[in-house]
Amino acid sequence: NAGVMQNPRHLVRRRGQEARLRCSPMKGHSHVYWYRQLPEEGLKFMVYLQKENIIDESGMPKERFSAEFPKEGPSILRIQQVVRGDSAAYFCASSPSANTEAFFGQGTRLTVV
Amino acid sequence: EDKVVQSPLSLVVHEGDTVTLNCSYEVTNFRSLLWYKQEKKAPTFLFMLTSSGIEKKSGRLSSILDKKELFSILNITATQTGDSAIYLCARGDSGAGSYQLTFGKGTKLSVIP
Repeated sequence: NAGVMQNPRHLVRRRGQEARLRCSPMKGHSHVYWYRQLPEEGLKFMVYLQKENIIDESGMPKERFSAEFPKEGPSILRIQQVVRGDSAAYFCASSPSANTEAFFGQGTRLTVV
Repeated sequence: EDKVVQSPLSLVVHEGDTVTLNCSYEVTNFRSLLWYKQEKKAPTFLFMLTSSGIEKKSGRLSSILDKKELFSILNITATQTGDSAIYLCARGDSGAGSYQLTFGKGTKLSVIP
């Protein structure tokens, strides 16, 4: 049973470009969470999704950021018009249900130049 | 103000030492307390605690939760260099149909030979 798979592992974007981060949850997991880790900071919750539904996006900036978890395929975190401050490690986690342990992917390290 | 506070922020010990890592939290919407180990990549799940006073063990690691005093400890006995990592404590928050983890900033453990 493969773990949570994220790709790409590293992503470099110029200011103003779009970044797309992908996450395939563990088999049998229908709950996906995105977290952001800034340098020297803890992991910060961004968004919680179930298949085709956004449950809680309270931690996600209201502009330029969006997330989806379609019926088929991976969850996508999309950042439009990236700025230097978006540079961070973005981690995806999945769980079989709410209120259970979440398992993390390897993360995508986004660098905006 | 931080909702999850870990101490110490960093710790250097010799192989064979025993260490205790601390995590205190606010009670709002509390469902569970989780510990993760983060090396260079994905946070790796260690323990999930929901009940007070019940110790969970895995090899040389153990953890316990005190819901009255709002803290948890993670013990590592007979430390090895491979234990060097950042240990993250997270509170599982549940409310309004959502579930998210609120992380502390972590304790950086360095085990020297």
